[in-house]
Order: sequence, then structure tokens, then C-alpha cells
Amino acid sequence: NAGVTQTPKFRILKIGQSMTLQCTQDMNHNYMYWYRQDPGMGLKLIYYSVGAGITDKGEVPNGYNVSRSTTEDFPLRLELAAPSQTSVYFCASSLGQGSSPLHFGNGTRLTVT
Amino acid sequence: GQNIDQPTEMTATEGAIVQINCTYQTSGFNGLFWYQQHAGEAPTFLSYNVLDGLEEKGRFSSFLSRSKGYSYLLLKELQMKDSASYLCAVDQTGANNLFFGTGTRLTVIP
Repeated sequence: NAGVTQTPKFRILKIGQSMTLQCTQDMNHNYMYWYRQDPGMGLKLIYYSVGAGITDKGEVPNGYNVSRSTTEDFPLRLELAAPSQTSVYFCASSLGQGSSPLHFGNGTRLTVT
Repeated sequence: GQNIDQPTEMTATEGAIVQINCTYQTSGFNGLFWYQQHAGEAPTFLSYNVLDGLEEKGRFSSFLSRSKGYSYLLLKELQMKDSASYLCAVDQTGANNLFFGTGTRLTVIP
């Protein structure tokens, strides 16, 4: 099992550009999440999904969009990139609520200049 | 809402024991997770506590007191590779995600 795979690992965007961060998991987990991690701020939830076709906003959804057409894939879309979106992005998956731990991808380091 | 507090940084000596504390205030509590995150890497799961008391896993143990809104992670026989950030995360009732503290960066020195 590859676990949770994110691409790309690094990206530099100019202000106003758009991009999609890819995330796929092969553990047949229903729950998937996108977090961003900024220095001294901890992990903040952007969007999550409890199953194919279902998505919901987290704490910091503005400027982002997601889709969940399959169980495996959960891409994160940035439209009109802004410097405030410079961050490290982590995708994660889990079996669901309760004691199921999150399994994280290796992260995408995004810089918007 | 929720409020989760951890010390920002700690330093400890190789071979010693260190305790990393986490206090939380949340409207509804299911359980508490600890994750380890090495610099530039993804967080990895260490432990989950739902009942009061100590859970031991090798060199790492985690304690929870639900009535006090308090948890700690205890690392014994510290090794240089234990230098990392340790993240406390609360599983809140009715929420479909975890709420993370800002993490404690532990530096192990020789």
C-alpha cells in the first residue's frame, strides 16, 4: 500500500494563478481531509469529505475548492492564488470518526509570490 | 468552540525522560490524539486516549484526565531521533475532524 500520495511536493505560483493539488489514497478510507500548516499556527482544516460525492467546509475554506468523485481521490483547487495561501498543505485520510487515526500524505509546499 | 494549549518548545537530554503537556477546552470531547512530526515531514500517529489513565506503548506513554481537560505525552530513554514536533489533537463530539494544537518542538541534546 502506498497510503496517501500527494503531488506535487513543491510549487511556486504567481499571484492570480490557479492550480490543483492532487491527493489519492489506496486504503479504501471514506474520510479525507485537506489541512494547511503555517509556522506557529498548527494544522487548520480547509475542507473534508466523508465519502464520494460529499464535501464540506472546514475552518479555513476561503479561496479553495474540492471535489470527491471517487473514494480514492480528493483534489484541492486554488483559484486566484494569493500570498496568504503560501503554506504547507497536507492531505489525510481515515476510516472515520472516533479512534481512527489520520494518515497523512507527505505534504505540498506552496509559495505564492 | 475549542482551545488547545501546548508549550511551544522544549529541550531535553539524550537518555532522559520528558513530559509534554496539553490542555484543552472543548464543547464535547470524544478522545485525544498525539502525533509526531519530524521537520519537513508528515505527522504520524502516536497514540489515542479516550478513557482516563495512562496508555503505554514502548518508550512512549500518553495520559488523559477528562475531568481536568489535560493530557501529557511521556517519552522515556530519549534518543536523538525523538527530536521532532509533537502535536496534540482533540476529537470533538459532533465534528468530523480533529482540532490540533500548535505543537511542541522537542530538541534532544547529547
